[in-house]
Amino acid sequence: AQKVTQAQTEISVVEKEDVTLDCVYETRDTTYYLFWYKQPPSGELVFLIRRNSFDEQNEISGRYSWNFQKSTSSFNFTITASQVVDSAVYFCALSSYAGKSTFGDGTTLTVKP
Amino acid sequence: DAGVIQSPRHEVTEMGQEVTLRCKPISGHDYLFWYRQTMMRGLELLIYFNNNVPIDDSGMPEDRFSAKMPNASFSTLKIQPSEPRDSAVYFCASSSGTGYNSPLHFGNGTRLTVT
Repeated sequence: AQKVTQAQTEISVVEKEDVTLDCVYETRDTTYYLFWYKQPPSGELVFLIRRNSFDEQNEISGRYSWNFQKSTSSFNFTITASQVVDSAVYFCALSSYAGKSTFGDGTTLTVKP
Repeated sequence: DAGVIQSPRHEVTEMGQEVTLRCKPISGHDYLFWYRQTMMRGLELLIYFNNNVPIDDSGMPEDRFSAKMPNASFSTLKIQPSEPRDSAVYFCASSSGTGYNSPLHFGNGTRLTVT
């Protein structure tokens, strides 16, 4: 069975602070994909990034960066210099060959001005 | 390029009534997923289709729920009869590729309230 754990239920930061959202996953599959999605207050779910199980290269995209460590089954997401518009619920998800995506419970990020 | 389109955006109905939620996936996407989001249970996969064929409906809570995909551009999720515990936001999502390696493109969701 697959499992995704986002231990941080809520995080509150002040604008311009850096913030890291943690994600730990469990799977018996050797081939899988990891995703981060953002759900702003308006409610829609938006795809942010995808990583496959063979690509441990970390990535930076603007203020966003991702740290994938297979040895610890973690796929963490960092926002640098946070902004109020980053306030949202962030979901980590795992998908394997069976086709199902398993989502974590989400981390609610509040960025205060 | 239009995204995933869901209708209605909001639905309020009385217990016992039939509810039909509709979804138009992104053109060219072979996979279609129905998710339900609640505070208690988070995001749950209800059912998904590949090329209009249901692949896994193990997440459908009970026989009151049914889903169809008569063609590549339309899917419905029906609840009959509805109950208050069905109140949730229902999302439709589509994806391309092999399904598991492609990101999900979500619609704006249908907020269902059953009184």
